[in-house]
Amino acid sequence: KQEVTQIPAALSVPEGENLVLNCSFTDSAIYNLQWFRQDPGKGLTSLLLIQSSQREQTSGRLNASLDKSSGRSTLYIAASQPGDSATYLCAVIEAFGDKIIFGKGTRLHILP
Amino acid sequence: KAGVTQTPRYLIKTRGQQVTLSCSPISGHRSVSWYQQTPGQGLQFLFEYFSETQRNKGNFPGRFSGRQFSNSRSEMNVSTLELGDSALYLCASSGDPANTEAFFGQGTRLTVV
Repeated sequence: KQEVTQIPAALSVPEGENLVLNCSFTDSAIYNLQWFRQDPGKGLTSLLLIQSSQREQTSGRLNASLDKSSGRSTLYIAASQPGDSATYLCAVIEAFGDKIIFGKGTRLHILP
Repeated sequence: KAGVTQTPRYLIKTRGQQVTLSCSPISGHRSVSWYQQTPGQGLQFLFEYFSETQRNKGNFPGRFSGRQFSNSRSEMNVSTLELGDSALYLCASSGDPANTEAFFGQGTRLTVV
């Protein structure tokens, strides 16, 4: 059974710092992995999608990497800003069954 | 291009009632998935529809059901509501979950009293 774990559960850092959020999954048989952002009480905003054949994807200050064999992904945020404060969720799409399995998220707080 | 639209945004129901939530996917998307989000359990998969057929189902009781129409719009129904059904219900659409990016709606906040 696929399980997705995100560490840390919560993180507070001063504005301007670079930071890394971690995601691990137990079954490497995935189609792709997607990172989302969720603001309180709102829906999910897609940040980056990494296909299983890819190693990383970049969008602006965000960079996500994928190591499928070790079951790990990281989301790197450069030069953090207060507007980056949100919960970041990692999700994998299973290769068999096509289910999307989410981690419980990392709650990020950027201190001005 | 319009995003995923969920209606209503907020809903208050009493125990024992039933509720229907609606999701309109992005135009051209044929897959719609439903999730329940609670503080304790996080995001949990309910079911996924593709071209009017339920392809996947999560571990929820039979009180939770859904359907998809020929225009890809989907509805989710919860019967005999319980207090524990209070949650944010999110819908996601994609061309096909296996290969494309999933886009989420803003969710329906259901409160059962």
